[in-house]
Amino acid sequence: DAKTTQPTSMDCAEGRAANLPCNHSTISGNEYVYWYRQIHSQGPQYIIHGLKNNETNEMASLIITEDRKSSTLILPHATLRDTAVYYCIVRVDRGGADGLTFGKGTHLIIQP
Amino acid sequence: ETGVTQSPTHLIKTRGQQVTLRCSSQSGHNTVSWYQQALGQGPQFIFQYYREEENGRGNFPPRFSGLQFPNYSSELNVNALELDDSALYLCASSSRTGQSTDTQYFGPGTRLTVL
Repeated sequence: DAKTTQPTSMDCAEGRAANLPCNHSTISGNEYVYWYRQIHSQGPQYIIHGLKNNETNEMASLIITEDRKSSTLILPHATLRDTAVYYCIVRVDRGGADGLTFGKGTHLIIQP
Repeated sequence: ETGVTQSPTHLIKTRGQQVTLRCSSQSGHNTVSWYQQALGQGPQFIFQYYREEENGRGNFPPRFSGLQFPNYSSELNVNALELDDSALYLCASSSRTGQSTDTQYFGPGTRLTVL
């Protein structure tokens, strides 16, 4: 699976949109971009995923560049409960061994 | 819809002992993956179980083994515990149909401390 690069940490004011970038310049055509977040000492929580098109759900929006080499996760109105480590993962949707490869992620801190 | 559950929540063992961790998959899911997360690191893939067989493994020694049961629940067994095995152990369930695999959903984890 392709490697991802994320900033180590980011701050965002409560109520503002949090924009978390991810670079995946070696992504293959059949690899999806997934985002998870992990609040301290809890299990990772699935947020959203996409292949080529932008995606939106009740939690966030995912913007993928046309060349698919980078993406941005957008939390439209950040709250204090959104403070967490956010992981960007690329993986092939396949029927074989399907372990997710986590990096160190971005520690997002929402400031009151 | 019931989410992924894990037991126990916390566990303390001593070096050389053996431990069994348990995971119940989310309803409708037939695949279970296990991860180890050391302090300050991202989760690392241990192995995955599908149709009661190991189906893919990360870079972990054979003393890490598992089982999957007909109801899709799973166990992770670790023999000859070492201090470095202290970590949060995460279970994730997903649904495999044909050639594709659905999104993985994680449980809350089991915190293992080896003294």
